[in-house]
Amino acid sequence: GENVEQHPSTLSVQEGDSAVIKCTYSDSASNYFPWYKQELGKGPQLIIDIRSNVGEKKDQRIAVTLNKTAKHFSLHITETQPEDSAVYFCAASIRGGGADGLTFGKGTHLIIQP
Amino acid sequence: DADVTQTPRNRITKTGKRIMLECSQTKGHDRMYWYRQDPGLGLQLIYYSFDVKDINKGEISDGYSVSRQAQAKFSLSLESAIPNQTALYFCATSDDDSGRAGEQFFGPGTRLTVL
Repeated sequence: GENVEQHPSTLSVQEGDSAVIKCTYSDSASNYFPWYKQELGKGPQLIIDIRSNVGEKKDQRIAVTLNKTAKHFSLHITETQPEDSAVYFCAASIRGGGADGLTFGKGTHLIIQP
Repeated sequence: DADVTQTPRNRITKTGKRIMLECSQTKGHDRMYWYRQDPGLGLQLIYYSFDVKDINKGEISDGYSVSRQAQAKFSLSLESAIPNQTALYFCATSDDDSGRAGEQFFGPGTRLTVL
């Protein structure tokens, strides 16, 4: 099955600086790569996603890049703000052939220092 | 009102007890999922359902069972709870977007403690 590795497990950055979280996946058939943000006491919430036919996607301060050849994808947050502090999860999905569901990385605890 | 609700939000039980966690959704989605979250391990898929008649095992289904009572309801049962099933459990839903994977919407979670 699919295996998703996520690094780092904890990331501390100064407010206003950029943060980068990296993930690798094992199954070349994976075709959908979402990023979820989980705040304390809440369920994960999608912040951005990318499909395998696209190399980069941006949404305001958040961007995701995908390198299919190397099987890795990254989340970039620019001009970080205190409300960006949370746990971030990457995931990979194969849908089709009766399969479904997301395989998640183990999460990155992002801490924004004032 | 929340689109995906879970009951109970917190539950403490004893080893060997039968426990049911319930999930309801008002999003009208066909697909529903149960995940388990342990500290430092991310989320792991337990079961998923394409529709009322279709139930599928995920990567960690042993010790769990599910029931899809209606399009809007998907329950997770622990027939005989054991301490290593202590975890945070999440229900999620997604739309069947022409066979393509898409956004999953998560409930607020149920914190289960097995003593």
